[in-house]
Amino acid sequence: DAGVIQSPRHEVTEMGQEVTLRCKPISGHDYLFWYRQTMMRGLELLIYFNNNVPIDDSGMPEDRFSAKMPNASFSTLKIQPSEPRDSAVYFCASSLTQNTEAFFGQGTRLTVV
Amino acid sequence: GIQVEQSPPDLILQEGANSTLRCNFSDSVNNLQWFHQNPWGQLINLFYIPSGTKQNGRLSATTVATERYSLLYISSSQTTDSGVYFCAVRGSGYALNFGKGTSLLVTP
Repeated sequence: DAGVIQSPRHEVTEMGQEVTLRCKPISGHDYLFWYRQTMMRGLELLIYFNNNVPIDDSGMPEDRFSAKMPNASFSTLKIQPSEPRDSAVYFCASSLTQNTEAFFGQGTRLTVV
Repeated sequence: GIQVEQSPPDLILQEGANSTLRCNFSDSVNNLQWFHQNPWGQLINLFYIPSGTKQNGRLSATTVATERYSLLYISSSQTTDSGVYFCAVRGSGYALNFGKGTSLLVTP
């Protein structure tokens, strides 16, 4: 398996623009997680899905953030409108079940100028 | 969520030295993982170890779930071991919760 695949790897956008981050989990994994990493806050959970259904979105910072999982092999994280403070590395991860090993994608480094 | 504390926060070693990294957590866990974040930012799985002891080459880990801590041992360190080591835990009904990491620099 190719592992968790994220795109793009790097994104530079202007403040106010819409940004969409994409994730393909490992085939057969029922859980998908979105994390954000910043120097100030470390690695924090934004949202996670089980069988394509959002289970906990309490980590989503504002209404500007939204996430979807239209099918078992694809998820998006959208920021609209983007702000400079959204600059971070966004990771997607997946696991077979809630208590099994989670695997992370390579991350998307987002810069909002 | 479960609180995760890692120590030390920073560590500098000379190549060939051994080290022990510690992870304390505040509640019972169903999952505990150790990751290495390399200088390119990739999170690499080292161990999935909710309890017991595992070894993989120069690395080994032990989790004592009843006492709520885990240890990561690095022996004969190499410069390629540099990076940040994260402990992450998952309790009942939660996703993985990460510690702040231990930043390791191995010098030649």
